[in-house]
Amino acid sequence: RKEVEQDPGPFNVPEGATVAFNCTYSNSASQSFFWYRQDCRKEPKLLMSVYSSGNEDGRFTAQLNRASQYISLLIRDSKLSDSATYLCVVNFAIDGNYQLIWGAGTKLIIKP
Amino acid sequence: EPEVTQTPSHQVTQMGQEVILRCVPISNHLYFYWYRQILGQKVEFLVSFYNNEISEKSEIFDDQFSVERPDGSNFTLKIRSTKLEDSAMYFCASSELGSSEQYFGPGTRLTVT
Repeated sequence: RKEVEQDPGPFNVPEGATVAFNCTYSNSASQSFFWYRQDCRKEPKLLMSVYSSGNEDGRFTAQLNRASQYISLLIRDSKLSDSATYLCVVNFAIDGNYQLIWGAGTKLIIKP
Repeated sequence: EPEVTQTPSHQVTQMGQEVILRCVPISNHLYFYWYRQILGQKVEFLVSFYNNEISEKSEIFDDQFSVERPDGSNFTLKIRSTKLEDSAMYFCASSELGSSEQYFGPGTRLTVT
């Protein structure tokens, strides 16, 4: 079974607040994990790759918990421009090959 | 900054017609992908392409679909006989050798009437 599950959303958050998204995946052999953001009717854009030790890029922090098979994304000091859909993406091994499986996304709305 | 480009941005076609969607991947990337996204739904993998052949494909990528790299820069997706349910955004992506980080083009909106 190949599955990536995300918080349903939408998250309505005031500007300046901290918001966190979680994503769970079903394949324990998965090796690579990513967060993408997608604006309405636009292409997904790579936000962060998620490393096993966790990683930070400015206001964004990604963490991986292999034992519980989940990935998280934390956004601090949220800006209006952070409003988008955040997509969790996991590399699944299928019949010896790897394929990116996409979550349905969590919509984030930052309010002034 | 190098980017993936796609043409056309919007294609309208009648059911049963053939369409070719075009992509120019980032020049030093060696892996190429096609995805589709039906309006309001999740991104779905169609096919990946490496070294002039398909490396993986999903159940969606049936005999109606084909991909080609006709020259050193273009990567195309052909749908032989379009159906209404083929209406979607089609995204091309590319990645470097040894990397799973994929970079997406702006997409082609396909409308089948």
